[in-house]
Amino acid sequence: AQSVTQLGSHVSVSEGALVLLRCNYSSSVPPYLFWYVQYPNQGLQLLLKYTSAATLVKGINGFEAEFKKSETSFHLTKPSAHMSDAAEYFCATGRRALTFGSGTRLQVQP
Amino acid sequence: EAGVTQFPSHSVIEKGQTVTLRCDPISGHDNLYWYRRVMGKEIKFLLHFVKESKQDESGMPNNRFLAERTGGTYSTLKVQPAELEDSGVYFCASSQSGGPLIQYFGAGTRLSVL
Repeated sequence: AQSVTQLGSHVSVSEGALVLLRCNYSSSVPPYLFWYVQYPNQGLQLLLKYTSAATLVKGINGFEAEFKKSETSFHLTKPSAHMSDAAEYFCATGRRALTFGSGTRLQVQP
Repeated sequence: EAGVTQFPSHSVIEKGQTVTLRCDPISGHDNLYWYRRVMGKEIKFLLHFVKESKQDESGMPNNRFLAERTGGTYSTLKVQPAELEDSGVYFCASSQSGGPLIQYFGAGTRLSVL
């Protein structure tokens, strides 16, 4: 069975600071991994995906994530937070039916 | 190109009533998925259609939930009769056949059962 764990239901950073959202996965097969973002009153939008190609994956809006098999991690980072990054972020795994983490709400302080 | 659209955006019903949620996938997407997020919990998979066929319905909670996708286009999810624990946000997603299997999500339907 596949699963993902997101550490920290709420993360608060200052504008301009590094954003680090943690995701660890469990999978018996090489995983497909995704990060989605949900802005208020909107659907989930794909930020980036890992599908067994390059381990460092670049996504939209300056986000990137690194697949580390030895650590079973797929943490999401952005060098400099912007106010518009405030949203809820979901890590997910799967090839058809996705299994989601519980979500991390990112707050960006001015 | 239109994205995944869901109707209604919000539904408030009383326990025991029936509610039907609708999802229009992106045109040409054979795969259609339903997910649900109960408040405070993670987003959970409900079922997966390939065209008009149910490929995987392992996440459907019980037989009060009925999903259909007649003609392989839009899908409906009916809850009959609704219970309090059915409250949550119901998401629909669609994806193309083959390729990287990226799922595109709608904005969701927020269901409140009182």
